[in-house]
Amino acid sequence: EADIYQTPRYLVIGTGKKITLECSQTMGHDKMYWYQQDPGMELHLIHYSYGVNSTEKGDLSSESTVSRIRTEHFPLTLESARPSHTSQYLCASGGLAKNIQYFGAGTRLSVL
Amino acid sequence: AQTVTQSQPEMSVQEAETVTLSCTYDTSESDYYLFWYKQPPSRQMILVIRQEAYKQQNATENRFSVNFQKAAKSFSLKISDSQLGDAAMYFCAYRSARGGSEKLVFGKGTKLTVNP
Repeated sequence: EADIYQTPRYLVIGTGKKITLECSQTMGHDKMYWYQQDPGMELHLIHYSYGVNSTEKGDLSSESTVSRIRTEHFPLTLESARPSHTSQYLCASGGLAKNIQYFGAGTRLSVL
Repeated sequence: AQTVTQSQPEMSVQEAETVTLSCTYDTSESDYYLFWYKQPPSRQMILVIRQEAYKQQNATENRFSVNFQKAAKSFSLKISDSQLGDAAMYFCAYRSARGGSEKLVFGKGTKLTVNP
């Protein structure tokens, strides 16, 4: 079944560590997105990609970086995690049809 | 910049009853899309319903329907015959139809509780 997968679901890590949040989709979509969601708050777009080798920053400034080497894979990296990075990170993908974005289950990150 | 406002942080409904979640938005654009997403606790966010601004007819999906009032910039979601599985956070979202505009603009969400 076509879907979008995020790993890990939960991550607790110490300050200064490098982390990569994984996102993969089997929906054949060209466009992929990363949103950040603080508890009880709305989602904010931090990165997006139109396709392979394309990455763009979203509205919310983020110290994270992304890469898009394969169509189905859109990982997010934090070089040096800080407590201010504690949040939920949601990955999404979308095709041309109907402008709908499909979301993964999210990664809940806690930096101590 | 576009904004989306959900004025009800929490709502509750009895099983089998009907509930309406409110959403208003602000935009200067005439062509756009509106969405309602459902986010169950610790689970994947899924699309509930979608509305194209140029269509006057309100979208419906089984027990879910919207009341789209373009002039008033209002986009409420009605859930009929509420079920326990409807309990979740509901987010209203806006997306411009302008080419190259990728982001969804979300409201803060409404937490819906369904009482048995």
